[in-house]
Amino acid sequence: GQNIDQPTEMTATEGAIVQINCTYQTSGFNGLFWYQQHAGEAPTFLSYNVLDGLEEKGRFSSFLSRSKGYSYLLLKELQMKDSASYLCAPMDSNYQLIWGAGTKLIIKP
Amino acid sequence: ETGVTQTPRHLVMGMTNKKSLKCEQHLGHNAMYWYKQSAKKPLELMFVYNFKEQTENNSVPSRFSPECPNSSHLFLHLHTLQPEDSALYLCASSQEIGGSGELFFGEGSRLTVL
Repeated sequence: GQNIDQPTEMTATEGAIVQINCTYQTSGFNGLFWYQQHAGEAPTFLSYNVLDGLEEKGRFSSFLSRSKGYSYLLLKELQMKDSASYLCAPMDSNYQLIWGAGTKLIIKP
Repeated sequence: ETGVTQTPRHLVMGMTNKKSLKCEQHLGHNAMYWYKQSAKKPLELMFVYNFKEQTENNSVPSRFSPECPNSSHLFLHLHTLQPEDSALYLCASSQEIGGSGELFFGEGSRLTVL
């Protein structure tokens, strides 16, 4: 079956760095997406990885290892506005996104 | 503002009511989606439309009935719902199905079934 595993909740301090891990098992693979969702709001796109390695975009970076079925989202210089849920979603061979339950990130001053 | 607008934002209905959720996208996208989001659960894909044609129906009960009159509009008709159908219903669009194209989500319609 298809499965996504990411921590339910994480806590970090303003100004610090946090890494949110995601492991996945899918039927085929066509890339992996990360989305951010603030409470009561729509999910918004953060990153897309299809090849192994690190993609950097400002304070956010996303890493992919296809052989290990593993990805992480790295957030640097954390700000209070980064408090949100982070959704990992690999795409399977049918181009269907398989969603994780999300990691709720709490930022403390 | 994501370019995807959903109405109503909140809806309370009884189990015998009939209501509809509406989604409109102003992005010129060809694919539109309905998702169900329940607390602490992964997003559940319900329906996919590509160029107005339904391409995916993920074993959704018939009390949910989608309609896509054109590439910009998507409806979800609701009738004889159950309390367990209470959830956030999200509409999304993308340029095409698959590929690196991201999904653009609406703010969602929060449904409560009494």
